[in-house]
Amino acid sequence: EAQVTQNPRYLITVTGKKLTVTCSQNMNHEYMSWYRQDPGLGLRQIYYSMNVEVTDKGDVPEGYKVSRKEKRNFPLILESPSPNQTSLYFCASGKGSLYEQYFGPGTRLTVT
Amino acid sequence: GDSVTQMEGPVTLSEEAFLTINCTYTATGYPSLFWYVQYPGEGLQLLLKATKADDKGSNKGFEATYRKETTSFHLEKGSVQVSDSAVYFCALDTGRRALTFGSGTRLQVQP
Repeated sequence: EAQVTQNPRYLITVTGKKLTVTCSQNMNHEYMSWYRQDPGLGLRQIYYSMNVEVTDKGDVPEGYKVSRKEKRNFPLILESPSPNQTSLYFCASGKGSLYEQYFGPGTRLTVT
Repeated sequence: GDSVTQMEGPVTLSEEAFLTINCTYTATGYPSLFWYVQYPGEGLQLLLKATKADDKGSNKGFEATYRKETTSFHLEKGSVQVSDSAVYFCALDTGRRALTFGSGTRLQVQP
């Protein structure tokens, strides 16, 4: 089954404790992206990757890091989480940015 | 910059009612336009899309027409069902490698 998986689905952590949210896709897509969803703001792009070892900032990259060492994986790293990063995070993949994007189920992060 | 404006929700309708969710956009160039749907507890799914002016996207009884003259892409369905209850997002892509989303409109359909 074609899918995008994210782990964990729910995470509660404390300020400053480094965390990684994993994202994996099994569709051999070149394009992958991270979004955060906040009430009243829709989805905003954090980072994206056009291919292995090619990443770039989206609209709200501050406080986040990503890496793309393999085509299927695109982890999101918060080295020092803060409460303003409490949000619902979605990973997405696609053949290219102009094509349909397939979204993962989301990771709800709470930083206290 | 690019932006998408959607009508605020929630939109509450009775089953079999007609649905319209308004979406207007601001963009440079000629964007592709999308409607995504998010069911409770799930990620977003593409509902329909249109890539050029006057194109009509359709899927599952939903339709939207790309109107360049009014910069709009309103979502419509002739007869909604309870199972259509979800959050609907209008989005555009100008080719700058990101989707720009509206804030989402929650639809609640009552039996």
